[in-house]
Amino acid sequence: DAMVIQNPRYQVTQFGKPVTLSCSQTLNHNVMYWYQQKSSQAPKLLFHYYDKDFNNEADTPDNFQSRRPNTSFCFLDIRSPGLGDAAMYLCATSQMRQGPNQPQHFGDGTRLSIL
Amino acid sequence: AQTVTQSQPEMSVQEAETVTLSCTYDTSENNYYLFWYKQPPSRQMILVIRQEAYKQQNATENRFSVNFQKAAKSFSLKISDSQLGDTAMYFCAYSQGGSEKLVFGKGTKLTVNP
Repeated sequence: DAMVIQNPRYQVTQFGKPVTLSCSQTLNHNVMYWYQQKSSQAPKLLFHYYDKDFNNEADTPDNFQSRRPNTSFCFLDIRSPGLGDAAMYLCATSQMRQGPNQPQHFGDGTRLSIL
Repeated sequence: AQTVTQSQPEMSVQEAETVTLSCTYDTSENNYYLFWYKQPPSRQMILVIRQEAYKQQNATENRFSVNFQKAAKSFSLKISDSQLGDTAMYFCAYSQGGSEKLVFGKGTKLTVNP
């Protein structure tokens, strides 16, 4: 089945130690998103790629970076994780070439813990 | 800026009964789309239903239907014949026409009781 795959499901890192979360998709969608979701809250968009174009949200901390080396893969890098960065990180995709405002397809998420 | 408000943080319903989740939104646009997403415990978020604002007919998907009141800027979700598997967080979301981005409400936690 075509899907959005996030690895790992659970990630533990130390305070200040860089960490990378990965997302891959077999849907061939042109837009990929990264969201941060804290407990019982709505997902908060960090940034997204529309094809190769990177779009950062104004309130996303500089500590968060992203890379999209090809259509299928997208990475979230947290350069110096703080305790406040502990959260679920969701990757999503959408196919805007099919028309406007297409639904987003989400991965299972990576739960990040900071020690 | 567009906002989405879900006024019910938590709701519960008995199995087989009907429940309605509320959502209101604020926009000055005429062209937009509305969505309901479901996020079961520890599972991925999935699309429940999508509504195009220029379509007056309310969207339906099996047991799920919406009551879209454009003038009132209201977009409620009705779940009929509730099942235990409907237990989840439900997020209402708005997307401006042509935009790839979503604005989410804070969510409603729905529990279906046996």
